[in-house]
Amino acid sequence: DADVTQTPRNRITKTGKRIMLECSQTKGHDRMYWYRQDPGLGLRLIYYSFDVKDINKGEISDGYSVSRQAQAKFSLSLESAIPNQTALYFCATSDLYRGGVIANTGELFFGEGSRLTVL
Amino acid sequence: GIQVEQSPPDLILQEGANSTLRCNFSDSVNNLQWFHQNPWGQLINLFYIPSGTKQNGRLSATTVATERYSLLYISSSQTTDSGVYFCAVGTSGSRLTFGEGTQLTVNP
Repeated sequence: DADVTQTPRNRITKTGKRIMLECSQTKGHDRMYWYRQDPGLGLRLIYYSFDVKDINKGEISDGYSVSRQAQAKFSLSLESAIPNQTALYFCATSDLYRGGVIANTGELFFGEGSRLTVL
Repeated sequence: GIQVEQSPPDLILQEGANSTLRCNFSDSVNNLQWFHQNPWGQLINLFYIPSGTKQNGRLSATTVATERYSLLYISSSQTTDSGVYFCAVGTSGSRLTFGEGTQLTVNP
């Protein structure tokens, strides 16, 4: 089983619908992230969370919200989906510590991606 | 914010050839990672390499932090190496910034 699991893997929905993408991890990492990838482009950060009580906006947070339900769970919501939110979405995790020392930036591990199409 | 530039944007090889992918970045970093995105969209960690050289089988990477670049070497390429290779960098207290990737196609 994957260490970082995303559900659903594929979703087709209509404009205006509410969509939730879920992410769970078994790596025991403190930090979790949601990224978006558009065709031919790199990844852009939507939201990130360094622990259960910490939520931060990334580069492109407008139109999205998140919830960190537990250390292992981080969900992304589109309250009212629109066609330009059609993209591949990735959840990622990283550890607070590296070599026993708090690391300002940690190694990222990605889930398998959730492909969302908004018609 | 930090700028990340990858080159070349596209690369086509015959199986067995060697290649070098480059990642330039605009500021000092304390995190640099290389990822491979396979044709099914999965992102696979290749190297965590903010400085120095690492090797893993046919792949190796070198980061020269003082000159703000990193190189990914692929030797004896195979068709399974096809996909997009991303470089991502981060500075103290910030998140990772991704380059736009190098699309590699290895033909049999």
